[in-house]
Amino acid sequence: AQSVSQHNHHVILSEAASLELGCNYSYGGTVNLFWYVQYPGQHLQLLLKYFSGDPLVKGIKGFEAEFIKSKFSFNLRKPSVQWSDTAEYFCAVNPNTNAGKSTFGDGTTLTVKP
Amino acid sequence: DTGVSQDPRHKITKRGQNVTFRCDPISEHNRLYWYRQTLGQGPEFLTYFQNEAQLEKSRLLSDRFSAERPKGSFSTLEIQRTEQGDSAMYLCASSGRTSGRIGDNEQFFGPGTRLTVL
Repeated sequence: AQSVSQHNHHVILSEAASLELGCNYSYGGTVNLFWYVQYPGQHLQLLLKYFSGDPLVKGIKGFEAEFIKSKFSFNLRKPSVQWSDTAEYFCAVNPNTNAGKSTFGDGTTLTVKP
Repeated sequence: DTGVSQDPRHKITKRGQNVTFRCDPISEHNRLYWYRQTLGQGPEFLTYFQNEAQLEKSRLLSDRFSAERPKGSFSTLEIQRTEQGDSAMYLCASSGRTSGRIGDNEQFFGPGTRLTVL
């Protein structure tokens, strides 16, 4: 069974600081990888996804993530955060099959101070 | 709005009562998922449909839980004899456009139904 580990439960940054949120997964086969964001009072939205190809993927709002297969990692980065990035961030993995149920990490709460 | 919708958004019930939630997926999606999310945790998979067939159920889905997708469109999740431990956010997601690639499993989530069992 797959599992996902997010290393930081709560991150507090000042505006313009750089962000990196860790995500490691455990699964023996080929995977699809996702980062979702949940803004206060809103539902889960997709930030970015990796299926195949270039391991550096770019998403919305200036976010990017790098898939490092040898490390089973898919860390999320943003060079300069804004107050509006305050949200909860979830890493998810699903097997590259036609079923596609996702396994989520427990999330990282990001607070950006103005 | 052509996103995933869920009804109701909030449900408060007394322990022992039955509750039913509804999910309307994106119309062209053939796969539908139910997840449960509790405070401080990520969504946990409950069950999954491809069209009207329920293909997988999590061990989390006890015999008090049942889900249906009778015509391959909307789905219902029923919880019988609710317990306080059932209090959570129940999320529905859909994926799988008919033209999609195998493994193209971007899931679109609804707003969730928050269940409180008193």
